[in-house]
Amino acid sequence: DTGVSQDPRHKITKRGQNVTFRCDPISEHNRLYWYRQTLGQGPEFLTYFQNEAQLEKSRLLSDRFSAERPKGSFSTLEIQRTEQGDSAMYLCASSLTSGIQGETQYFGPGTRLLVL
Amino acid sequence: AQSVTQLDSHVSVSEGTPVLLRCNYSSSYSPSLFWYVQHPNKGLQLLLKYTSAATLVKGINGFEAEFKKSETSFHLTKPSAHMSDAAEYFCVVTLYNQGGKLIFGQGTELSVKP
Repeated sequence: DTGVSQDPRHKITKRGQNVTFRCDPISEHNRLYWYRQTLGQGPEFLTYFQNEAQLEKSRLLSDRFSAERPKGSFSTLEIQRTEQGDSAMYLCASSLTSGIQGETQYFGPGTRLLVL
Repeated sequence: AQSVTQLDSHVSVSEGTPVLLRCNYSSSYSPSLFWYVQHPNKGLQLLLKYTSAATLVKGINGFEAEFKKSETSFHLTKPSAHMSDAAEYFCVVTLYNQGGKLIFGQGTELSVKP
C-alpha cells in the first residue's frame, strides 16, 4: 500500500493559463474523489468517480473544470483559463466501497495551486 | 441537507491536560461521522469514525469521540495532550446514499503549550 499520490505538489501559474493535476489512488480502490481547500477552510467536495464513471459534480465545478478517470485508475483534474480565485489546495482521496456505510477515504498530500 | 459545525475555531491547551474539540452535526438520516487531522504540509489522516455501531468510538493516538444523537454532537476528546497533537482537526459527516462524499466542518486549530 503506497497510499494516494498527487502530482505536482505545487503549481504556480499565470491567470488565463491551463493547468492539469494528476492523482494516483490506492490500487484496489474503486472510488476517487476530488476536493478543494482554501486557506482557513475545510475541504469542499468537487466530484467523484466510481471506477471510470463520474457520478457526481458539485456546483463548485464550473465549466472551466474537467475531471477524468480513464480505465478507472488514475485521475486528472484540468482547470482551463485559470483565475486568481482558483488558488487553493486540491486534494484527492480514494476509497473501496463495499456496500457498508462509512467507507474510509484516504487522502493524498494535495496539489497547492497559486494563480498570479 | 447535512452539515457540521465546529464550535471552536481555535483551542489552546497545555501539554498533559485534556483536549475537547466540539462538533455538532445536522442530518435528516443516520449519518456516518469522522474526525480527520491535518498536520502542516501533510495530508489528511483519519483519526476515528462512527458508523452506527458503538456510540463511543476509539481512534488513533489516544483520541476518542462519543456520538450523542439526542444532542446531535460528536465531540473529540483526549485525556492528555501531547505536543505532537498540535494540528488542524476536522469533523466530517457523510450519508451512505450520497456516494460517500464528505462534508467537512470549518476546522479547529489545536495548539499545545509546553
